[in-house]
Amino acid sequence: AQSVAQPEDQVNVAEGNPLTVKCTYSVSGNPYLFWYVQYPNRGLQFLLKYITGDNLVKGSYGFEAEFNKSQTSFHLKKPSALVSDSALYFCAVRGGRNAGNMLTFGGGTRLMVKP
Amino acid sequence: DAGVTQSPTHLIKTRGQHVTLRCSPISGHKSVSWYQQVLGQGPQFIFQYYEKEERGRGNFPDRFSARQFPNYSSELNVNALLLGDSALYLCASSPNPVYSNQPQHFGDGTRLSIL
Repeated sequence: AQSVAQPEDQVNVAEGNPLTVKCTYSVSGNPYLFWYVQYPNRGLQFLLKYITGDNLVKGSYGFEAEFNKSQTSFHLKKPSALVSDSALYFCAVRGGRNAGNMLTFGGGTRLMVKP
Repeated sequence: DAGVTQSPTHLIKTRGQHVTLRCSPISGHKSVSWYQQVLGQGPQFIFQYYEKEERGRGNFPDRFSARQFPNYSSELNVNALLLGDSALYLCASSPNPVYSNQPQHFGDGTRLSIL
């Protein structure tokens, strides 16, 4: 069975500072990894994905994520945080080829960016 | 282009009743998945449908059922509602579940409250 862990319930950063939201995963075979963001009273919005290739993946709104196979991690990063980045962030994993569409999500990390 | 649309946005039911939630996928997407997001948790996979056939089912009781129509829209039905069914129900669409590297695109969900 596949699983995702987001060890921090909340991350607090000051505007303009770099941010990191942590994610570790467990899956058999090669993982397909995703980050989504959720604003209040909204659904999940796709940010970026890792399928194969470069370990540093760039996504929407200046976000990027670093895949580390040996540490089974896929941390979300941004060089300079904005107040508008404050939201709930979810890491998700899908099994490899022929695993269908089922996503397994972590419990979420609330990002608070203060002016 | 319109994104994934879900109706209704909010719904209040009492224990024992049944409910039907509706979802229209992004134009051209043939796969629809349903997720349940309990407050404070990550989404949990319920069903995936592709070409009107069930392609995956999560760990949910038989009170939960779904179907997909020829126009690829979908309904989620829940019978004999329990207090624990109170959640945000999310619908996600993608072109084809065989290609697991494609991200799922989520609607804004239906907030179901059970009294």
